Amino acid sequence: DAGVTQSPTHLIKTRGQQVTLRCSPKSGHDTVSWYQQALGQGPQFIFQYYEEEERQRGNFPDRFSGHQFPNYSSELNVNALLLGDSALYLCASSLGWKNTEAFFGQGTRLTVV
Amino acid sequence: GESVGLHLPTLSVQEGDNSIINCAYSNSASDYFIWYKQESGKGPQFIIDIRSNMDKRQGQRVTVLLNKTVKHLSLQIAATQPGDSAVYFCAEKRDAGGTSYGKLTFGQGTILTVHP
Repeated sequence: DAGVTQSPTHLIKTRGQQVTLRCSPKSGHDTVSWYQQALGQGPQFIFQYYEEEERQRGNFPDRFSGHQFPNYSSELNVNALLLGDSALYLCASSLGWKNTEAFFGQGTRLTVV
Repeated sequence: GESVGLHLPTLSVQEGDNSIINCAYSNSASDYFIWYKQESGKGPQFIIDIRSNMDKRQGQRVTVLLNKTVKHLSLQIAATQPGDSAVYFCAEKRDAGGTSYGKLTFGQGTILTVHP
């Protein structure tokens, strides 16, 4: 049983560009959350998707947007990239948003130059 | 509960010792407290959680203690092994209510190094 898979694993982008990160949840999971983890810090909640809708959102600008597909997979889009967007982007899945046992993917390391 | 700074607390122990990792939280309304382990190059891995109406919960080689009076959470690892070396994060979660349910709020991590 595959766990949470994210692609790509590493990405380098230039300031002002746009990026799309992808996540496939653990089999059977219907809820996907995205987190940003800066170096040396804990993950920061970006948003959560359930039933193809954004259910919760953290303190991130509108440049950060997402989508969930009928198969529960999800995308994170970031527009107008800033140097400060460089971070590890983590996807977590769970069965329902109430489940505390969220499974994280290995993350996508985004570097903005 | 937000993680801060680049200088994480560190804990170094010898293999076989017991380890205690501490976490202070700020949100009294949290319903669950969770411990995650993050190894280098990997995403966080769930270790154990505890509901806010409990004060202790045990798992395999791990025990979580919750002291709501002083808003303190600890993770005890028995017979620590080199494979336990990682960054450990505590996190909070609310069941419902307000606008914060469903998300995990991570605290500051602690770097655990286990020496053989």
